[in-house]
Amino acid sequence: AQTVTQSQPEMSVQEAETVTLSCTYDTSENNYYLFWYKQPPSRQMILVIRQEAYKQQNATENRFSVNFQKAAKSFSLKISDSQLGDTAMYFCAFMNSNFGNEKLTFGTGTRLTIIP
Amino acid sequence: EAGVVQSPRYKIIEKKQPVAFWCNPISGHNTLYWYLQNLGQGPELLIRYENEEAVDDSQLPKDRFSAERLKGVDSTLKIQPAELGDSAVYLCASSKRTGSDTQYFGPGTRLTVL
Repeated sequence: AQTVTQSQPEMSVQEAETVTLSCTYDTSENNYYLFWYKQPPSRQMILVIRQEAYKQQNATENRFSVNFQKAAKSFSLKISDSQLGDTAMYFCAFMNSNFGNEKLTFGTGTRLTIIP
Repeated sequence: EAGVVQSPRYKIIEKKQPVAFWCNPISGHNTLYWYLQNLGQGPELLIRYENEEAVDDSQLPKDRFSAERLKGVDSTLKIQPAELGDSAVYLCASSKRTGSDTQYFGPGTRLTVL
């Protein structure tokens, strides 16, 4: 079974600074997908970024980028020029690409606070 | 394009009472998921539907939980009878199809069992 570990329960950073959230995972599969979801107090789980394991290039979405290290099974999220609206819980998630096993396995989350 | 819709947003009931949650997925999304999110935890899959068929319900406590997706669109998740430990957020998500497609989540229903 896959497991996802987020070792930072809480983080805080000043507005406009850069912050990196850590995530490691364990799997015996070679093909899979990794995600970062953001969950603000409204509870809506919002997709931040997605990475396909077969791609060596790290995914980027505007101020959000990942550092995907497949051999180390590490998938960190970097938020540049952080904004107050980035305050939320951030969940790292893994999905097996095998047909019939497409469930997301989530980590326990990191609570990120952006300080004005 | 409308997102995943869930209702109610909040529900408070007494233990042993029944409760139902409703989900309307994004139009055109064939796959629907129900997740349970306990406080301070990440969501965990309860059941996955491909159209009308429940293809993964291995984590659904079938003694008290049931779900249906009769016409392959809307879905209902029911708990009967509810227990104190069922207090949590119930999230619905949908995707176009299985495999590589991203799952999009609704706002969830926060259930409190007294």
